[in-house]
Amino acid sequence: DVKVTQSSRYLVKRTGEKVFLECVQDMDHENMFWYRQDPGLGLRLIYFSYDVKMKEKGDIPEGYSVSREKKERFSLILESASTNQTSMYLCASSPGQGWGETQYFGPGTRLLVL
Amino acid sequence: AQKITQTQPGMFVQEKEAVTLDCTYDTSDPSYGLFWYKQPSSGEMIFLIYQGSYDQQNATEGRYSLNFQKARKSANLVISASQLGDSAMYFCAKRGDMRFGAGTRLTVKP
Repeated sequence: DVKVTQSSRYLVKRTGEKVFLECVQDMDHENMFWYRQDPGLGLRLIYFSYDVKMKEKGDIPEGYSVSREKKERFSLILESASTNQTSMYLCASSPGQGWGETQYFGPGTRLLVL
Repeated sequence: AQKITQTQPGMFVQEKEAVTLDCTYDTSDPSYGLFWYKQPSSGEMIFLIYQGSYDQQNATEGRYSLNFQKARKSANLVISASQLGDSAMYFCAKRGDMRFGAGTRLTVKP
């Protein structure tokens, strides 16, 4: 079974803090993704990566950065957390070089920024 | 942006009955596909079914099937014989740009 893990299920941070969300997949997938999920808006793509050290902006990259130093790990960084970044964050991975493959998701991290 | 639209924020269905969850999409791609995912209250997204635009037949996976109408740009999910465990959020997503709809919350009543 494909397994995607995220470092925390719940996080509480203060405004202005630097926040790291870690995601690890164990199936040697090429592609990794970070989404945020908000009620009524579905999932919105923040960043994705199709190879080590490669990254591409999604639909809502502002306020976020990412790092992919190893194939299995994709980190989402909030440089200076703000209250409007309170959300559910979902990491996903998919195999192959293209974008047509099924994504496998982690359990999500619920982030509260106070 | 190429949109995915799920017009039903919430749906109720009686246990053992069938239910259809709507999904329409906007695309100019000649080749594309649609995914459906289930998200129970635990939060994890679970892949259910996939339909490619050139597939000759509607996709089926157990109790899940897709009512794919290419001309109408719709890919509705049909769940037959609903079970209490089907209560969850359901998302439609488009292959390629991986845009998701806003989701439909399905509640199965005993």
